[in-house]
Amino acid sequence: GENVEQHPSTLSVQEGDSAVIKCTYSDSASNYFPWYKQELGKGPQLIIDIRSNVGEKKDQRIAVTLNKTAKHFSLHITETQPEDSAVYFCAARLPIKTYKYIFGTGTRLKVLA
Amino acid sequence: DGGITQSPKYLFRKEGQNVTLSCEQNLNHDAMYWYRQDPGQGLRLIYYSQIVNDFQKGDIAEGYSVSREKKESFPLTVTSAQKNPTAFYLCASSASSATNEKLLFGSGTQLSVL
Repeated sequence: GENVEQHPSTLSVQEGDSAVIKCTYSDSASNYFPWYKQELGKGPQLIIDIRSNVGEKKDQRIAVTLNKTAKHFSLHITETQPEDSAVYFCAARLPIKTYKYIFGTGTRLKVLA
Repeated sequence: DGGITQSPKYLFRKEGQNVTLSCEQNLNHDAMYWYRQDPGQGLRLIYYSQIVNDFQKGDIAEGYSVSREKKESFPLTVTSAQKNPTAFYLCASSASSATNEKLLFGSGTQLSVL
């Protein structure tokens, strides 16, 4: 069945360093890949997304890369700050007919001051 | 401000009781979703609706029911048949166009059993 694997499950970095979170999806028909940031007790917030016809997208300190051949996509956060500490989820969306989003299991990022 | 409103933020259920979680959106989105989140885990789909008066079961629909009588509203009822209801419940919505797939979430409802 459809699956998204996310690694690592926890990640600690020093403030100012970069953080990279990786996801692998199983269904090659997936065409949309969002990333979410979730703070404790709150709903996930969409922080960046990428469509299957694009290889890379950047928004200030965050970027997402997509390798369709390998079915990998990654979130890159540069110059990390303490407020980046949260749980990050990746997701893959199946084609429009099913409206189904498959989520990774999350990465808890801790930015150490 | 456009967005998704979930209420209440905290809800307690007694054994044998049905409870209903509210979700309202003013984004004019066609599709709405309910997810369940357990501590330290990912999101599991309970139900989703692509259009008014229609909805489909997700991966863990047993013990839950929904309705979609209005485009803006997608309430979730946790029935007494759901034996382990304690979780964080998230409502989400998305537009139906191929060029706007963004899935947006509400702030969640924490359901606990008394």
